[in-house]
Amino acid sequence: GQNIDQPTEMTATEGAIVQINCTYQTSGFNGLFWYQQHAGEAPTFLSYNVLDGLEEKGRFSSFLSRSKGYSYLLLKELQMKDSASYLCAVRDSTGGFKTIFGAGTRLFVKA
Amino acid sequence: DADVTQTPRNRITKTGKRIMLECSQTKGHDRMYWYRQDPGLGLRLIYYSFDVKDINKGEISDGYSVSRQAQAKFSLSLESAIPNQTALYFCATSDRDNPYNEQFFGPGTRLTVL
Repeated sequence: GQNIDQPTEMTATEGAIVQINCTYQTSGFNGLFWYQQHAGEAPTFLSYNVLDGLEEKGRFSSFLSRSKGYSYLLLKELQMKDSASYLCAVRDSTGGFKTIFGAGTRLFVKA
Repeated sequence: DADVTQTPRNRITKTGKRIMLECSQTKGHDRMYWYRQDPGLGLRLIYYSFDVKDINKGEISDGYSVSRQAQAKFSLSLESAIPNQTALYFCATSDRDNPYNEQFFGPGTRLTVL
């Protein structure tokens, strides 16, 4: 089966750096996604990792270690608008390439 | 702008009623999905379809059914709604030719079953 764990909530200060961790267990790993979801809105795609290492995209970076079943999302130069939930999701090749989502981490950015 | 739309956006209904939620997309994507989101539980997959007439069960398909009669439309039905189906429902699409295969979500339908 699949299992995805991420912290429920985090708080950080405007201008700082925050790292949101995600651990997963899956039988047929086929990629890891991070999505951002503002309250009451639809999730939007942030990043995708399928190979080990760091993917950087502007203020956001995502890291993957397949051997450890571990990923993190790094947000730099935090802005108030970054207050949102961040969803870690894993695509599993067993049973039809479904994408399984974690419960999400609510990030609060304070001034 | 290519988009994913859902109707209705909000719906309040009573236990035992039949409900249909509609999803339409102008992205030209072949794959479509229905999720429900509950506080603390994240997004859970109900059904997904990789092409017209292709239907697959997700994690929590009991009590739901779907129809994919055209590439652009994917509807979700609750045959006899019950209160624990109160949730935020999202439709999503993806493109098999996109190497990331990320999903694009509609704005959501907030369903309340009394």
